[in-house]
Amino acid sequence: QSALTQPRSVSGSPGQSVTISCTGTSSDVGGYNYVSWYQQHPGKAPKLMIYDVSKRPSGVPDRFSGSKSGNTASLTISGLQAEDEADFYCCSYAGSYVWVFGGGTKLTVL
Amino acid sequence: EVQLVESGGGLVQPGGSLRLSCAASGFTFSSYWMHWVRQAPGKGLVWVSRINSDGSSTSYADSVKGRFTISRDNAKNTLYLQMNSLRAEDTAVYYCARVVNSGYSPGDAFDIWGQGTMVTVSS
Repeated sequence: QSALTQPRSVSGSPGQSVTISCTGTSSDVGGYNYVSWYQQHPGKAPKLMIYDVSKRPSGVPDRFSGSKSGNTASLTISGLQAEDEADFYCCSYAGSYVWVFGGGTKLTVL
Repeated sequence: EVQLVESGGGLVQPGGSLRLSCAASGFTFSSYWMHWVRQAPGKGLVWVSRINSDGSSTSYADSVKGRFTISRDNAKNTLYLQMNSLRAEDTAVYYCARVVNSGYSPGDAFDIWGQGTMVTVSS
């Protein structure tokens, strides 16, 4: 149950696009189409942004998109806005009814 | 309104026990798998435990296996986490979370989260 690997931080200017990667193994990210992404603002509960690799829950802007290639999943945020600044976490099902999160990425909007 | 409200957190000495509760409302609680996720101060999210809709199947992270027990009372719309043999490294905000889909949903993501309850393990 090792944590998935995410960059500690990413940044971008308003209007730009940023991509956050999430690297696992063939036992988690690469083995299942059950990758999800969560946004967490300071002091708040996490919010689901993407599930099943690329599905967006109702109410999440289409500026947020997800993808996966091999053992690496990615979250892309286009048209960056100031309110996107937050911590982002990926999560993957790892089989045997176990889930694993990434270490988190701090997104800074310059 | 779909809502989860945790309670039961607090300060406990190493080796002690605590039981967290998560009250659900606004949805058919008995139809959904539920999870506990924790976050140590200044750190990332860590999955802790999961229970299926009727409580017959549970799973745990290696770090809590044998010490924590997840359970639910569908008549009371409440999820529980019994935490025994607590350690300093168990200090965290504990969130309960619901999965996206009702019924059998292995691998499902967490779409509804509570506000969290803080557990501090210290002498």
